Amino acid sequence: SQQGEEDPQALSIQEGENATMNCSYKTSINNLQWYRQNSGRGLVHLILIRSNEREKHSGRLRVTLDTSKKSSSLLITASRAADTASYFCATDAGVGFQKLVFGTGTRLLVSP
Amino acid sequence: DGGITQSPKYLFRKEGQNVTLSCEQNLNHDAMYWYRQDPGQGLRLIYYSQIVNDFQKGDIAEGYSVSREKKESFPLTVTSAQKNPTAFYLCASKGGGADTQYFGPGTRLTVL
Repeated sequence: SQQGEEDPQALSIQEGENATMNCSYKTSINNLQWYRQNSGRGLVHLILIRSNEREKHSGRLRVTLDTSKKSSSLLITASRAADTASYFCATDAGVGFQKLVFGTGTRLLVSP
Repeated sequence: DGGITQSPKYLFRKEGQNVTLSCEQNLNHDAMYWYRQDPGQGLRLIYYSQIVNDFQKGDIAEGYSVSREKKESFPLTVTSAQKNPTAFYLCASKGGGADTQYFGPGTRLTVL
């Protein structure tokens, strides 16, 4: 079962613009992670935010977490064509939080 | 070169045949995971293993089997009981006390 949904399902922007993706989840978490997937490839970890954190930055990435609303957002600033990919949020789950449950993903297209 | 490898990259199978997908890691990670991804969708967990000689079913284990005889290896067998096996299969590992999963490049399985 998938933990939550991502919004929007697809996003198309121009280079230099900012891209914002949202993720909602259903149960209590220890942490939430964002991953990136280029077409036909494996996933690459981008950033992890713990349940006691509200905001985290990594380069051009900014992640926020609102545990009261069970939601997170990923902001990519000054986007580049190379940012074109699918982006997934994942929350830890299961006994001992050993599993990850992935959202449905946002497909981002950045045009030159 | 540390990492996680999957082979083959592409696999074609006739209906009624079992096939085994390889996943190897040299990251010294204890935990390993198998996911299935269908077009335009997120990842769904098939099986996972937290330690050698032990594994647990994920959300969609029916029609699949795994073994974990060595720390480095976690092969997935897609059996003829899996009704709709055509998909992209991703293997991941986790270890060192971190929550991040590291993904292989994936195997695309097509049933002819």
